[in-house]
Amino acid sequence: GAGVSQSPSNKVTEKGKDVELRCDPISGHTALYWYRQSLGQGLEFLIYFQGNSAPDKSGLPSDRFSAERTGGSVSTLTIQRTQQEDSAVYLCASSLEGQGRTDTQYFGPGTRLTVL
Amino acid sequence: AQKVTQAQTEISVVEKEDVTLDCVYETRDTTYYLFWYKQPPSGELVFLIRRNSFDEQNEISGRYSWNFQKSTSSFNFTITASQVVDSAVYFCALSVVGYSGYSTLTFGKGTMLLVSP
Repeated sequence: GAGVSQSPSNKVTEKGKDVELRCDPISGHTALYWYRQSLGQGLEFLIYFQGNSAPDKSGLPSDRFSAERTGGSVSTLTIQRTQQEDSAVYLCASSLEGQGRTDTQYFGPGTRLTVL
Repeated sequence: AQKVTQAQTEISVVEKEDVTLDCVYETRDTTYYLFWYKQPPSGELVFLIRRNSFDEQNEISGRYSWNFQKSTSSFNFTITASQVVDSAVYFCALSVVGYSGYSTLTFGKGTMLLVSP
């Protein structure tokens, strides 16, 4: 089957604008994760979904960041009022199960966000 | 808290050389999982291997091999007879099931491997 897909692959936006990043996990995977990869910080965990619920949002860097998942499938990461420090590659991953287990996470190609 | 250290920031080798990428981890959990991922220039993280803390057997897959030693908290990755296509950033990662009941990956900073023809 298809792997994890993300869109857009690249996004350039102006400071202060809102952006939406989309992730389509592997079919049948109930767990979905968002990570951020930036030069200074490496790979950081942002948020985890089990089904449509996000048990832990503590990785989100500020209240400008939010995420939702619908139908246990597609997830959207929204960044409001973007700042230059939000520039990074946003990676999505999915795994078969998340709760109480450590299934292998498979990653999408990422969305490269540039805030001017 | 979990921590993964990849001390080698960048390694350059010539094709056909063997190369070992080091990974040292820290965790207080007795049950954990270790992973290696490859990130080629295209950007996608590609899963290579997963190992649980109770299985210290070394593993070989083609030109790739992994050496897991709990005594030194290391999970090193060796590429034998490297090829130009092996050029990528390689990440070691650690995962435990936390108090919240789910697990996330803690990544090292990555090692950039450059293989020249």
